[in-house]
Amino acid sequence: KQEVTQIPAALSVPEGENLVLNCSFTDSAIYNLQWFRQDPGKGLTSLLLIQSSQREQTSGRLNASLDKSSGRSTLYIAASQPGDSATYLCAVPRRGETSGSRLTFGEGTQLTVNP
Amino acid sequence: NAGVMQNPRHLVRRRGQEARLRCSPMKGHSHVYWYRQLPEEGLKFMVYLQKENIIDESGMPKERFSAEFPKEGPSILRIQQVVRGDSAAYFCASSLTPNYGYTFGSGTRLTVV
Repeated sequence: KQEVTQIPAALSVPEGENLVLNCSFTDSAIYNLQWFRQDPGKGLTSLLLIQSSQREQTSGRLNASLDKSSGRSTLYIAASQPGDSATYLCAVPRRGETSGSRLTFGEGTQLTVNP
Repeated sequence: NAGVMQNPRHLVRRRGQEARLRCSPMKGHSHVYWYRQLPEEGLKFMVYLQKENIIDESGMPKERFSAEFPKEGPSILRIQQVVRGDSAAYFCASSLTPNYGYTFGSGTRLTVV
């Protein structure tokens, strides 16, 4: 059974700081790993998708890395801004026999960036 | 492309009533997933459907909950005889294949009074 853990559960930083969010998973048989952002009372917004054959993906101030063998991913946020305040979730689909697969989510890291 | 559309955004039901939640996947996506997020908890998988087929319903409660994805029209998550513990945000996601990632809707927030 796949288990996904995110550390820390909550993080508060001053504006402008660089930060790292961590995600670990127990079963390395994954298609890919996806990072999402969830604002309070809102849906999920996809941030980055890393395929199992890739080591990292970048989008603007965000950089996500994937080490499948050790079951770890990190999300790096550069020069954080108050608008980055949200809950960040990582999720992995289980490689199965069919073309689709459920996502297993971590519990999320609640980020607060203080002006 | 309007993305994954869920309606209604908010739904209030009295105990014992039925709740119907709708999800229209992204154009061209044939895989639909329903997730539930209880207050102060993480997202939990409920059911995975393809057109006219339930592929994996291992996360669905055994009673009162059902889901369908007909040949025409949106996917429906149906909750019969709702109880206060059903109050949660219900999210729908769709994918072309898992290799292309998942797109989520904005969710339906169900409140049972």
